[in-house]
Amino acid sequence: DAKTTQPPSMDCAEGRAANLPCNHSTISGNEYVYWYRQIHSQGPQYIIHGLKNNETNEMASLIITEDRKSSTLILPHATLRDTAVYYCIVRVGGGGSNYKLTFGKGTLLTVNP
Amino acid sequence: DAGITQSPRHKVTETGTPVTLRCHQTENHRYMYWYRQDPGHGLRLIHYSYGVKDTDKGEVSDGYSVSRSKTEDFLLTLESATSSQTSVYFCAITPGPTHSPLHFGNGTRLTVT
Repeated sequence: DAKTTQPPSMDCAEGRAANLPCNHSTISGNEYVYWYRQIHSQGPQYIIHGLKNNETNEMASLIITEDRKSSTLILPHATLRDTAVYYCIVRVGGGGSNYKLTFGKGTLLTVNP
Repeated sequence: DAGITQSPRHKVTETGTPVTLRCHQTENHRYMYWYRQDPGHGLRLIHYSYGVKDTDKGEVSDGYSVSRSKTEDFLLTLESATSSQTSVYFCAITPGPTHSPLHFGNGTRLTVT
């Protein structure tokens, strides 16, 4: 699985958009970009994923560059409850056999009132 | 949230005692996984299941066994708990072998004294 690089921390004002970047310059053509977050003492929460097209769901939007070497997770209107560690992961496919999921250090997003 | 329940949520046990953690899902997903999360190590896959009575080892399976007699339940057993198994344990599920993401339970915090 391709390695990812994220900033260690970011701040965002409540109500504003939070834009979390991720670099994955060694991504392969069949690898997806997944975003998860983890709020302290809770299990990781799936947010969104994509292959090459931009994706949007009720939680967030995912923007993937045309060369697929980087992506941005956008939380359109951040709330205090969005304070969490956000993980960008690149891997081939989803379930099946040995679903080794490598969470790096992620980005600690702090949403301030 | 995905219908995943882990029990117990917290457990303290003594070295050498057997411990069983339970993961119960209401989603009827085929694939189930056990991870442990430790500071500095991220998430590490212990065992996984790709169907009833079909299980296999992950990257840190020594000292652990699993069983899946029903689609909805995946049990993780520490036959003789050791202090190195003090950790937070997460169960995860996913419906299929495509690019479907994992959904995690809220974890079991296990302390072995």
